[in-house]
Amino acid sequence: GDSVTQMEGPVTLSEEAFLTINCTYTATGYPSLFWYVQYPGEGLQLLLKATKADDKGSNKGFEATYRKETTSFHLEKGSVQVSDSAVYFCALLNSGGSNYKLTFGKGTLLTVNP
Amino acid sequence: GAGVSQSPRYKVAKRGQDVALRCDPISGHVSLFWYQQALGQGPEFLTYFQNEAQLDKSGLPSDRFFAERPEGSVSTLKIQRTQQEDSAVYLCASSLSWDVSYGYTFGSGTRLTVV
Repeated sequence: GDSVTQMEGPVTLSEEAFLTINCTYTATGYPSLFWYVQYPGEGLQLLLKATKADDKGSNKGFEATYRKETTSFHLEKGSVQVSDSAVYFCALLNSGGSNYKLTFGKGTLLTVNP
Repeated sequence: GAGVSQSPRYKVAKRGQDVALRCDPISGHVSLFWYQQALGQGPEFLTYFQNEAQLDKSGLPSDRFFAERPEGSVSTLKIQRTQQEDSAVYLCASSLSWDVSYGYTFGSGTRLTVV
């Protein structure tokens, strides 16, 4: 079945540091890929998405490129802020029969210190 | 409404008690989903509605879990005879159309603690 593996946390960075959170996936077909963010006490918010190979999703300074050859969708940001502290989830939506069901990774907790 | 609204935000239930969790999706959204998020884990799919039809309930963990959306808008997730392993955050999400390839909008969740 479909699965998503993302790097274990927690990740602790200083403000203005470079961020990478690795995400790889296993899926049949041609999935869409997503990063969701969950701030403390809040629900999941869509951060960015990519629907086909080589697409780059971007939002709020975050970027991720859909790499079919390495089945990866790594999240990057050049300069993190304290307000980026949250849990980040990589997810996929398959194009096959259950093409409405998101499969999530376990999440990566990011803490940014001033 | 502007977003997906869930109530209550927090629920403490004694083991064996029945609970009902409510979800108000964004007005006009056709698709509605329930997910279960255990502590330290990613959300896991429970069930999917398209309007009032429950098209997939394969993720419901046992026959103690029941979901309905009788008029195609508000949905209720009911858990009978709650057990400690049911403790989790229950997330509701909705999408405007049957095509959810661009993702969907989540509510803030209901945190259920079974004691």
